[in-house]
Amino acid sequence: NAGVTQTPKFQVLKTGQSMTLQCAQDMNHEYMSWYRQDPGMGLRLIHYSVGAGITDQGEVPNGYNVSRSTTEDFPLRLLSAAPSQTSVYFCASSYSSVSGNTIYFGEGSWLTVV
Amino acid sequence: AQSVTQLDSQVPVFEEAPVELRCNYSSSVSVYLFWYVQYPNQGLQLLLKYLSGSTLVESINGFEAEFNKSQTSFHLRKPSVHISDTAEYFCAVSDRYSTGFQKLVFGTGTRLLVSP
Repeated sequence: NAGVTQTPKFQVLKTGQSMTLQCAQDMNHEYMSWYRQDPGMGLRLIHYSVGAGITDQGEVPNGYNVSRSTTEDFPLRLLSAAPSQTSVYFCASSYSSVSGNTIYFGEGSWLTVV
Repeated sequence: AQSVTQLDSQVPVFEEAPVELRCNYSSSVSVYLFWYVQYPNQGLQLLLKYLSGSTLVESINGFEAEFNKSQTSFHLRKPSVHISDTAEYFCAVSDRYSTGFQKLVFGTGTRLLVSP
C-alpha cells in the first residue's frame, strides 16, 4: 500500500517557468489537499478537493491551480513560478469518520525557484 | 477561525531528560487537537489527537498531551527522550463541528533537538 505519493521530490525552476507537482493516493480517500511549509510559518492550505471534479481554495491559493479528474490524482500546477513559491509542498489525502478526518501526508516536494 | 501558537521554535534537551513542547490555541468553536511529527526530509505523521473524553491522550512511543480547556492548551510531554525523537513537532486544530473536509490550522512548529 503506497499511501500518498508525490513527485518530484526535488525541483529547481527558473522564475516564470511552469510545472506540475503530482500527487496520487491509492486509499480511495474522498478528500485531497495541498499544503506549503515555510520556515516559521508552519503548514498552510493551498487548495483542496472533496471529490472528483470538485476543488476549492485554501488559505494561500494565489499562483496555483488544481484539478481533480479522478479520485486518485490531485496535481498542483504553478503557471508562472516566482521566488516566493520556493517552499516544501505536501499533498494529503483524508476521509471523514465519526471521529473527524483521518489525514495521511505524502513525503513532500522541495521546490526552489531561482 | 482558529489559530495555534507554539512559542518555542527550538527545544534542545539531553537524552533521557523530560521535555514539554507547548501549544496554545484560539478558537470561537470547539476543536479537535492534534500533534504531528516530521522527521528530517519526511512527511508529517500523526503522533496523537484529542477528540473527546479523557483530556490526557497518549501515543505509542511514550509521548502524551493534555487538553486544558480553561487554558486553551494542548502541551506535549515525554518523561524521557531518545536521540530518535529529534524531529519537528507541529500542533494543529480543526473545527469539531465542521462537516466534510476539515481544514487543519497548524502552529509554526517546534524543533526538538536531543543530544547525547
